[in-house]
Amino acid sequence: QVQLQESGPGLVKPSETLSLACTVSGASISSSSYSCVWIRQPPGKGLEWIGSMYYTGSTFYNPSLKSRVTLSLDTSQNQFSLELSSVTAADTAIYYCARAKGIPAGGNYYMDVWGKGTTVAVSS
Amino acid sequence: SYDLTQPPSMSVSPGQTASITCSGDKLGYKYVCWYQQKPGQSPVLVIYEDNKRPSGIPERFSGSNSGNTATLTISGTQSMDEGDYFCQAWDSSTVVFGGGTKLTVL
Repeated sequence: QVQLQESGPGLVKPSETLSLACTVSGASISSSSYSCVWIRQPPGKGLEWIGSMYYTGSTFYNPSLKSRVTLSLDTSQNQFSLELSSVTAADTAIYYCARAKGIPAGGNYYMDVWGKGTTVAVSS
Repeated sequence: SYDLTQPPSMSVSPGQTASITCSGDKLGYKYVCWYQQKPGQSPVLVIYEDNKRPSGIPERFSGSNSGNTATLTISGTQSMDEGDYFCQAWDSSTVVFGGGTKLTVL
């Protein structure tokens, strides 16, 4: 059974960098069949995709966040990570990592396994 | 950017059919998937590739997609189906989510 678990600080100061990790168990992130995804959900609001990364290094980003986002993989730890720089209160949200299946070139892309999410607040 | 539009809320009586729509330009040419999210929980995939159900999702969940509208249908809605539902598609190398529909079963 594949499981994903987010980890990282629950409080980040404005203008600093938010750093989260997602540890995957039950499957290898070094697979051409899947990609690693970050999604966030501000309090009481909908889902916002942050970005996706394949083990090959191929990445896709939300254009509205691209300038502040860095995604990375650590295959030795079976983890993938998110860094979001220059955070503001608007970045306060539940952050989810997920596994995605499908072939973007074919237009089918969906998240079949999600972590439980981690709440990050941006405040001084 | 590509937009997906969902009604913010809808209600259905137990045992009746709930149809949640998701609209977007030429959406029928894209694959759509649907997620269910209950309060305090992470989203769960209930439909992918327009009309396929993942293992473990009840048969009462079905999907369709044509023209500019995709529809998630819940037949014989149960109280446990109450929650938020989000549609999602892939467009121009980005993941796009609908704003979500809060389904109330009463």
